[in-house]
Amino acid sequence: EPEVTQTPSHQVTQMGQEVILRCVPISNHLYFYWYRQILGQKVEFLVSFYNNEISEKSEIFDDQFSVERPDGSNFTLKIRSTKLEDSAMYFCASSEWGQPQHFGDGTRLSIL
Amino acid sequence: QQQVKQSPQSLIVQKGGISIINCAYENTAFDYFPWYQQFPGKGPALLIAIRPDVSEKKEGRFTISFNKSAKQFSLHIMDSQPGDSATYFCAATSPNTGNQFYFGTGTSLTVIP
Repeated sequence: EPEVTQTPSHQVTQMGQEVILRCVPISNHLYFYWYRQILGQKVEFLVSFYNNEISEKSEIFDDQFSVERPDGSNFTLKIRSTKLEDSAMYFCASSEWGQPQHFGDGTRLSIL
Repeated sequence: QQQVKQSPQSLIVQKGGISIINCAYENTAFDYFPWYQQFPGKGPALLIAIRPDVSEKKEGRFTISFNKSAKQFSLHIMDSQPGDSATYFCAATSPNTGNQFYFGTGTSLTVIP
């Protein structure tokens, strides 16, 4: 069964540094999402992306965040200047329109 | 604003028992209600989902009950097994919200042998 893959599985970064989280969505999916899950808390929506542009974004997704689909397979989340509170699991998801979202296993981001 | 409220926060059930997790939503535009199962170190995995045109959906030991007038839906796990021990999230979405999922706060289920 096709799956969403995310790399790296764990990223450790100094506060203030830039970080890029990578995702390879399921190949025939056109809708892409990033979610965040702070340890022990619920999954929170960050952003959705379709047709090379952001469809929706939450208040969490401020100017420090950006997303990109640099080629036909990858979908990236960039945090420009990381803060301690950015430490969380970041999940990528993809879907066809109106269909369930399929999640990757996440990248654990640790900000020191 | 918490779009989806989930309870209980944690649940302990004997093997063979019934696990019941409840969710309530605010936005009447929501038209798709999935349940996700999450094991430690893994991403959420779709378990079962329902649309508001039916009041119940059953897949194996898992059943969603949906009450549109009360804006509530629940997950029932029959004959609960230790392998069902995980965190369960309800969610809701609609085309009006860009298909983003609004997740509940999660229920940690422990099934004891």
